[in-house]
Amino acid sequence: EAQVTQNPRYLITVTGKKLTVTCSQNMNHEYMSWYRQDPGLGLRQIYYSMNVEVTDKGDVPEGYKVSRKEKRNFPLILESPSPNQTSLYFCASSYGVSSYEQYFGPGTRLTVT
Amino acid sequence: GNSVTQMEGPVTLSEEAFLTINCTYTATGYPSLFWYVQYPGEGLQLLLKATKADDKGSNKGFEATYRKETTSFHLEKGSVQVSDSAVYFCALLTGGFKTIFGAGTRLFVKA
Repeated sequence: EAQVTQNPRYLITVTGKKLTVTCSQNMNHEYMSWYRQDPGLGLRQIYYSMNVEVTDKGDVPEGYKVSRKEKRNFPLILESPSPNQTSLYFCASSYGVSSYEQYFGPGTRLTVT
Repeated sequence: GNSVTQMEGPVTLSEEAFLTINCTYTATGYPSLFWYVQYPGEGLQLLLKATKADDKGSNKGFEATYRKETTSFHLEKGSVQVSDSAVYFCALLTGGFKTIFGAGTRLFVKA
């Protein structure tokens, strides 16, 4: 089954404790992206990747890091989480710029206390 | 800069009512436009898309027409069902891979 998976689905952590949210897709997609969803703000893009070892900032990259060492994986790293990073996070992937549909993972709900 | 504005929700309708969710955008160039739907506890799914002016996207009874003159992409459905209850997001794709989403509109359909 074609899908985007994220882990963990739920995470409660404390300020300053480094964490990683994993994202994996099995569709051989070139493009991957991370979003955060906050009430009243819709989805805002954090980082995206156009291919292995190629990443770029979205609209809200501060406090986040990403890496793309393999085509299928695109982890989101919070080196020192803060309460304002409490949010619902989605990973998405797409075949490429010429194929616009994005496939979304199920989401990771993160709470930073 | 580029932006998407959607009507605020929630929108509450009775089953079989007509649905319109307004979406307007600001963008340079010629963006592609999308509607995504999010069911409770799930990620977003593409509902329909339009890649150039005057294109009409349609899927599952939903329709939206890319109107460049009014910079709009309103979502419509002639007869909603309880199963259509979800959050609907309008989005645009600019050059490269930057997708901009609206704030989302929650739809409740009552039986």
